[in-house]
Amino acid sequence: DAGVIQSPRHEVTEMGQEVTLRCKPISGHDYLFWYRQTMMRGLELLIYFNNNVPIDDSGMPEDRFSAKMPNASFSTLKIQPSEPRDSAVYFCASSLELSYEQYFGPGTRLTVT
Amino acid sequence: GENVEQHPSTLSVQEGDSAVIKCTYSDSASNYFPWYKQELGKRPQLIIDIRSNVGEKKDQRIAVTLNKTAKHFSLHITETQPEDSAVYFCAASAAGGGADGLTFGKGTHLIIQP
Repeated sequence: DAGVIQSPRHEVTEMGQEVTLRCKPISGHDYLFWYRQTMMRGLELLIYFNNNVPIDDSGMPEDRFSAKMPNASFSTLKIQPSEPRDSAVYFCASSLELSYEQYFGPGTRLTVT
Repeated sequence: GENVEQHPSTLSVQEGDSAVIKCTYSDSASNYFPWYKQELGKRPQLIIDIRSNVGEKKDQRIAVTLNKTAKHFSLHITETQPEDSAVYFCAASAAGGGADGLTFGKGTHLIIQP
Protein backbone atom coordinates (compact mmCIF):
# COMPACT_ATOMS: atom_id res chain seq x y z
CA ASP A 1 0.00 0.00 0.00
CA ALA A 2 1.21 3.53 -0.74
CA GLY A 3 0.17 4.79 2.67
CA VAL A 4 -2.16 7.70 3.31
CA ILE A 5 -2.20 10.06 0.35
CA GLN A 6 -2.96 13.76 0.63
CA SER A 7 -3.28 16.45 -1.99
CA PRO A 8 -2.24 19.08 -2.60
CA ARG A 9 1.01 19.10 -0.64
CA HIS A 10 1.12 22.89 -0.64
CA GLU A 11 -1.67 25.38 -1.12
CA VAL A 12 -1.39 29.15 -1.20
CA THR A 13 -4.62 31.09 -1.48
CA GLU A 14 -6.05 34.49 -0.79
CA MET A 15 -8.36 35.30 2.07
CA GLY A 16 -11.97 34.61 1.18
CA GLN A 17 -11.25 31.83 -1.29
CA GLU A 18 -12.51 28.28 -0.92
CA VAL A 19 -9.92 25.62 -0.13
CA THR A 20 -10.41 21.87 -0.55
CA LEU A 21 -7.97 19.37 0.90
CA ARG A 22 -8.11 15.74 -0.15
CA CYS A 23 -7.20 12.45 1.50
CA LYS A 24 -7.06 8.81 0.49
CA PRO A 25 -6.74 6.50 3.52
CA ILE A 26 -4.99 3.15 3.62
CA SER A 27 -7.21 0.48 2.11
CA GLY A 28 -9.07 -1.48 4.77
CA HIS A 29 -8.76 1.15 7.46
CA ASP A 30 -12.15 1.94 8.97
CA TYR A 31 -11.15 5.17 10.70
CA LEU A 32 -10.09 8.44 9.12
CA PHE A 33 -8.92 11.51 11.03
CA TRP A 34 -8.29 15.13 10.09
CA TYR A 35 -5.76 17.11 12.18
CA ARG A 36 -4.47 20.66 12.10
CA GLN A 37 -0.94 21.49 13.29
CA THR A 38 0.31 24.96 14.23
CA MET A 39 3.15 26.15 16.43
CA MET A 40 0.74 27.83 18.81
CA ARG A 41 -1.92 25.13 19.18
CA GLY A 42 0.04 21.97 18.41
CA LEU A 43 -1.69 18.98 16.83
CA GLU A 44 -5.47 19.28 17.04
CA LEU A 45 -8.05 16.68 16.05
CA LEU A 46 -10.67 18.35 13.86
CA ILE A 47 -12.98 15.45 12.99
CA TYR A 48 -12.92 11.71 12.54
CA PHE A 49 -14.97 9.20 10.56
CA ASN A 50 -15.81 5.55 11.17
CA ASN A 51 -16.92 3.63 8.09
CA ASN A 52 -17.48 6.93 6.26
CA VAL A 53 -19.72 8.33 9.02
CA PRO A 54 -18.60 11.43 10.98
CA ILE A 55 -18.37 10.45 14.65
CA ASP A 56 -16.85 13.45 16.43
CA ASP A 57 -16.61 16.89 14.83
CA SER A 58 -16.22 18.82 18.08
CA GLY A 59 -12.77 19.97 17.00
CA MET A 60 -13.98 21.71 13.86
CA PRO A 61 -13.25 25.37 14.62
CA GLU A 62 -16.33 26.94 13.07
CA ASP A 63 -18.92 26.68 10.34
CA ARG A 64 -16.40 27.68 7.70
CA PHE A 65 -14.94 24.18 8.02
CA SER A 66 -16.67 21.10 6.65
CA ALA A 67 -15.57 17.53 5.98
CA LYS A 68 -17.04 14.71 3.97
CA MET A 69 -16.25 11.09 3.30
CA PRO A 70 -18.37 9.96 0.34
CA ASN A 71 -16.75 6.52 0.22
CA ALA A 72 -14.16 4.40 2.00
CA SER A 73 -11.28 5.64 -0.14
CA PHE A 74 -11.77 9.39 -0.21
CA SER A 75 -12.32 12.30 2.15
CA THR A 76 -12.28 16.08 1.79
CA LEU A 77 -11.81 18.95 4.21
CA LYS A 78 -13.19 22.22 2.92
CA ILE A 79 -12.68 25.75 4.23
CA GLN A 80 -15.01 28.41 2.88
CA PRO A 81 -14.22 31.26 3.13
CA SER A 82 -10.58 30.89 4.14
CA GLU A 83 -8.88 33.30 6.56
CA PRO A 84 -5.19 33.96 7.34
CA ARG A 85 -5.56 32.26 10.75
CA ASP A 86 -6.38 29.01 8.93
CA SER A 87 -2.75 28.83 7.80
CA ALA A 88 -1.38 25.53 9.15
CA VAL A 89 -0.36 22.03 8.16
CA TYR A 90 -3.38 19.78 7.80
CA PHE A 91 -2.82 16.06 8.30
CA CYS A 92 -5.06 13.19 7.42
CA ALA A 93 -4.55 9.87 9.21
CA SER A 94 -6.19 6.46 9.11
CA SER A 95 -6.30 3.41 11.37
CA LEU A 96 -7.84 -0.04 11.62
CA GLU A 97 -9.43 0.65 14.99
CA LEU A 98 -9.91 3.74 17.14
CA SER A 99 -7.23 2.79 19.67
CA TYR A 100 -4.68 1.48 17.21
CA GLU A 101 -1.75 3.02 15.38
CA GLN A 102 -2.71 5.97 13.23
CA TYR A 103 -0.87 6.32 9.95
CA PHE A 104 -0.43 9.92 8.94
CA GLY A 105 -0.31 11.32 5.45
CA PRO A 106 2.44 13.75 4.38
CA GLY A 107 0.24 16.74 5.20
CA THR A 108 -0.96 19.78 3.27
CA ARG A 109 0.74 23.06 4.09
CA LEU A 110 -1.91 25.76 3.72
CA THR A 111 -1.02 29.43 3.53
CA VAL A 112 -3.81 31.99 3.39
CA THR A 113 -2.68 35.51 2.55
CA GLY B 1 -13.06 16.17 27.28
CA GLU B 2 -9.54 14.90 27.73
CA ASN B 3 -6.65 17.29 28.50
CA VAL B 4 -3.04 16.18 28.04
CA GLU B 5 -0.13 18.15 29.47
CA GLN B 6 3.42 17.42 28.29
CA HIS B 7 6.77 18.47 29.78
CA PRO B 8 9.31 19.72 29.05
CA SER B 9 8.64 21.64 25.84
CA THR B 10 12.35 21.47 24.96
CA LEU B 11 14.93 18.94 26.15
CA SER B 12 18.61 19.00 25.31
CA VAL B 13 20.78 16.00 26.22
CA GLN B 14 24.27 14.81 25.41
CA GLU B 15 24.57 11.98 22.92
CA GLY B 16 24.61 8.71 24.84
CA ASP B 17 22.66 10.07 27.80
CA SER B 18 19.04 9.25 28.61
CA ALA B 19 16.01 11.43 27.92
CA VAL B 20 12.70 11.40 29.78
CA ILE B 21 9.49 13.10 28.64
CA LYS B 22 6.46 13.22 30.93
CA CYS B 23 2.74 13.57 30.28
CA THR B 24 -0.33 13.85 32.47
CA TYR B 25 -3.93 13.34 31.45
CA SER B 26 -7.23 14.31 32.99
CA ASP B 27 -9.80 11.68 31.95
CA SER B 28 -9.60 8.58 34.15
CA ALA B 29 -11.44 6.66 31.41
CA SER B 30 -8.46 6.99 29.05
CA ASN B 31 -6.98 3.60 28.28
CA TYR B 32 -4.69 4.03 25.28
CA PHE B 33 -1.46 6.08 25.35
CA PRO B 34 0.64 6.31 22.18
CA TRP B 35 3.84 8.26 21.54
CA TYR B 36 4.59 9.78 18.16
CA LYS B 37 7.85 11.10 16.77
CA GLN B 38 7.88 13.89 14.20
CA GLU B 39 11.06 14.85 12.41
CA LEU B 40 11.35 18.32 10.93
CA GLY B 41 9.03 18.70 7.94
CA LYS B 42 7.80 15.12 8.20
CA ARG B 43 4.63 13.41 9.38
CA PRO B 44 4.13 12.07 12.94
CA GLN B 45 4.94 8.37 13.27
CA LEU B 46 4.09 6.00 16.10
CA ILE B 47 7.13 4.81 18.07
CA ILE B 48 5.50 3.01 21.00
CA ASP B 49 2.14 2.74 22.72
CA ILE B 50 0.79 1.37 25.98
CA ARG B 51 -2.64 0.30 27.15
CA SER B 52 -4.04 0.65 30.62
CA ASN B 53 -3.68 -3.02 31.47
CA VAL B 54 0.13 -2.79 31.62
CA GLY B 55 2.46 -0.51 33.58
CA GLU B 56 5.53 -0.60 31.36
CA LYS B 57 6.47 -1.50 27.82
CA LYS B 58 9.91 -1.58 26.25
CA ASP B 59 11.18 -1.67 22.68
CA GLN B 60 14.97 -1.63 22.35
CA ARG B 61 16.12 1.83 23.52
CA ILE B 62 12.67 3.25 24.20
CA ALA B 63 10.29 2.47 27.02
CA VAL B 64 7.02 3.86 28.27
CA THR B 65 5.70 3.72 31.83
CA LEU B 66 2.12 4.32 32.94
CA ASN B 67 0.79 5.23 36.37
CA LYS B 68 -3.01 5.14 36.19
CA THR B 69 -3.49 6.20 39.79
CA ALA B 70 -1.54 9.39 39.26
CA LYS B 71 -2.73 9.71 35.63
CA HIS B 72 0.68 10.17 34.16
CA PHE B 73 2.88 8.35 31.66
CA SER B 74 6.45 8.84 30.51
CA LEU B 75 8.71 8.11 27.57
CA HIS B 76 12.27 7.02 28.28
CA ILE B 77 14.97 6.96 25.60
CA THR B 78 18.31 5.44 26.59
CA GLU B 79 21.69 5.78 24.86
CA THR B 80 20.42 8.69 22.78
CA GLN B 81 21.70 9.08 19.23
CA PRO B 82 21.65 12.03 16.78
CA GLU B 83 18.74 10.48 14.88
CA ASP B 84 16.62 10.72 18.03
CA SER B 85 16.47 14.51 17.53
CA ALA B 86 12.82 15.30 16.76
CA VAL B 87 9.57 16.48 18.32
CA TYR B 88 7.84 13.84 20.43
CA PHE B 89 4.11 13.87 21.14
CA CYS B 90 2.23 11.93 23.76
CA ALA B 91 -1.49 11.29 23.38
CA ALA B 92 -4.40 9.76 25.26
CA SER B 93 -7.68 8.23 24.24
CA ALA B 94 -10.70 6.88 26.08
CA ALA B 95 -11.93 5.06 23.02
CA GLY B 96 -12.88 1.93 24.89
CA GLY B 97 -15.80 3.52 26.62
CA GLY B 98 -16.60 6.43 24.39
CA ALA B 99 -16.18 7.93 20.96
CA ASP B 100 -13.29 10.33 21.61
CA GLY B 101 -10.29 10.33 19.34
CA LEU B 102 -6.73 11.02 20.41
CA THR B 103 -5.88 14.14 22.39
CA PHE B 104 -2.25 15.12 21.86
CA GLY B 105 0.15 16.92 24.16
CA LYS B 106 1.87 20.05 22.86
CA GLY B 107 5.08 18.20 22.04
CA THR B 108 8.68 18.06 23.28
CA HIS B 109 11.53 19.16 21.06
CA LEU B 110 14.37 16.75 21.85
CA ILE B 111 17.83 17.94 20.89
CA ILE B 112 20.74 15.51 20.99
CA GLN B 113 24.03 17.35 21.49
CA PRO B 114 27.06 15.65 19.89
